[in-house]
Amino acid sequence: GQNIDQPTEMTATEGAIVQINCTYQTSGFNGLFWYQQHAGEAPTFLSYNVLDGLEEKGRFSSFLSRSKGYSYLLLKELQMKDSASYLCAVNTNAGKSTFGDGTTLTVKP
Amino acid sequence: GAGVSQSPSNKVTEKGKDVELRCDPISGHVSLFWYQQALGQGPEFLTYFQNEAQLEKSRLLSDRFSAERPKGSFSTLEIQRTEQGDSAMYLCASGEHTYEQYFGPGTRLTVT
Repeated sequence: GQNIDQPTEMTATEGAIVQINCTYQTSGFNGLFWYQQHAGEAPTFLSYNVLDGLEEKGRFSSFLSRSKGYSYLLLKELQMKDSASYLCAVNTNAGKSTFGDGTTLTVKP
Repeated sequence: GAGVSQSPSNKVTEKGKDVELRCDPISGHVSLFWYQQALGQGPEFLTYFQNEAQLEKSRLLSDRFSAERPKGSFSTLEIQRTEQGDSAMYLCASGEHTYEQYFGPGTRLTVT
């Protein structure tokens, strides 16, 4: 079956850096997504990695190692509005994506 | 431009009734996806359309759930004989490619 693991909760301080890890074991791999989801709202696309390495986009960066089945999302210069759930998802087959249960990040002043 | 829209935003129904949810994707987007998201969990894939063709569907769609995208534009998700376990957020997403997904605001379904 498909298995995607990420920590349930994390806490960090405003202005700091936080790294959210995601490990996966899936049958098939066409790329890995990261989404941000505020409570009661729909997920918002953050990044997509298909090749190994680091993709940087403003304060957010995402890393992928396909051989290790591992990714992380790095958030820099944390702001209070970054408090949200962060979802890791693997595109396993054509249009099918398998999501983790999300990491709830709380940013404290 | 206009994003993905879904209707209704909230739906309360009685157990055993049928419901139909609608998704209007971003204009021109070929790919359309439906997900079910229970509280505190990640979205669970239901089905995927490329234009009007339904190319992927989870086993959940083989029973009381069915989806259509008749003209390759809007899509409907029908749930027959609803059960309390169907209470969840139903999310629709669209994209120009399978590797991009822009989500709509969702329909919150409550089965009483």
